[in-house]
Amino acid sequence: NAGVTQTPKFQVLKTGQSMTLQCAQDMNHNSMYWYRQDPGMGLRLIYYSASEGTTDKGEVPNGYNVSRLNKREFSLRLESAAPSQTSVYFCASSERRNYGYTFGSGTRLTVV
Amino acid sequence: AQSVTQLDSHVSVSEGTPVLLRCNYSSSYSPSLFWYVQHPNKGLQLLLKYTSAATLVKGINGFEAEFKKSETSFHLTKPSAHMSDAAEYFCVVSDRGRNAGNMLTFGGGTRLMVKP
Repeated sequence: NAGVTQTPKFQVLKTGQSMTLQCAQDMNHNSMYWYRQDPGMGLRLIYYSASEGTTDKGEVPNGYNVSRLNKREFSLRLESAAPSQTSVYFCASSERRNYGYTFGSGTRLTVV
Repeated sequence: AQSVTQLDSHVSVSEGTPVLLRCNYSSSYSPSLFWYVQHPNKGLQLLLKYTSAATLVKGINGFEAEFKKSETSFHLTKPSAHMSDAAEYFCVVSDRGRNAGNMLTFGGGTRLMVKP
């Protein structure tokens, strides 16, 4: 089925470890996004890529880096994980402004 | 700057009764507004969107929302709740005047509980 695919679905890290969350979309969308979801706070934008070859910081970028590998793929990297990064991470893509997003099913990350 | 306030963090209704989830927004430009639903341990699904056409917007599963500019509101309603409607709902705004991509700002969410 067409959509946004995130891997892994679950991950437990120790403080200081690094990892990369993968995201791929097969809808030929130009824009891709990474959000984190924390209880009572809705979703907050970490980084986004308006088009292939560009990336920009969102509301909460500290401790993260991203790579827009090609039009399909947008990865999120935690270089040195901290307990404050325990969250559910969602990748999303959109075709153009004001069309809303298509979301992946999320990655539940726990940092101990 | 844009922001979204969902006025109730939890709403409980009985099956078959109306649903009202309240949302107020602020936006510097003409906004686009969305409602998303998230079932437990799932991703987010678009329910409906307002993008400057008709102010009463119909979405999936019998939900609708009315854009009221004078009240800066975009409340979500459904005439009759079903058990399967139990989920978390997010009101979302996008400033159509922004230049940087298509960034959405999410409200804090409203958890809808449906009692049999």
